[in-house]
Amino acid sequence: SQKIEQNSEALNIQEGKTATLTCNYTNYSPAYLQWYRQDPGRGPVFLLLIRENEKEKRKERLKVTFDTTLKQSLFHITASQPADSATYLCALEEYGNKLVFGAGTILRVKS
Amino acid sequence: ETGVTQTPRHLVMGMTNKKSLKCEQHLGHNAMYWYKQSAKKPLELMFVYNFKEQTENNSVPSRFSPECPNSSHLFLHLHTLQPEDSALYLCASSQVGTSTGELFFGEGSRLTVL
Repeated sequence: SQKIEQNSEALNIQEGKTATLTCNYTNYSPAYLQWYRQDPGRGPVFLLLIRENEKEKRKERLKVTFDTTLKQSLFHITASQPADSATYLCALEEYGNKLVFGAGTILRVKS
Repeated sequence: ETGVTQTPRHLVMGMTNKKSLKCEQHLGHNAMYWYKQSAKKPLELMFVYNFKEQTENNSVPSRFSPECPNSSHLFLHLHTLQPEDSALYLCASSQVGTSTGELFFGEGSRLTVL
């Protein structure tokens, strides 16, 4: 089964900078990869999906890349704000409608 | 109400108690899920229901018993749990057959087993 690795250490950045989070997977390349945001004590919220034939996807200040050769996705937040502070989860389709999640990376944006 | 609603939000139970978690989705989706989230660990998929039929049981101990009476409601019945079962239990729904497969999560039920 898939194993997903996300940085276990929190990422601390200054407001206005670009945050870059990494998601690496170990096995076959999935048909798509998703990113979710989770605030403390809340359920995850879907942000973006990128398919295996897409190199890059954008939504407002968010950008996701997908490199099937490196087995890696990068998640960028440009012009970061303190309100962007949260845990960001990467998820891959394993089969059918079964999603496998990474443990998430905590992002802290300081003003 | 909209989205996915879970009750109760917090639950404390002893190891010999029987309790149930409830999930209701108002999105017209045809698939529902139970996930377990422990501190610093990935979400663990427990059960999947597609069109009310259980299609996935991810080697979950029998002390967790799911029930899906219709496509909008999902329950997780809890019996003789262990302290290590303390976690955040998340319910989610999705529309199978769409191109995105995104999950819509509830706010979770925080379970503490004493």
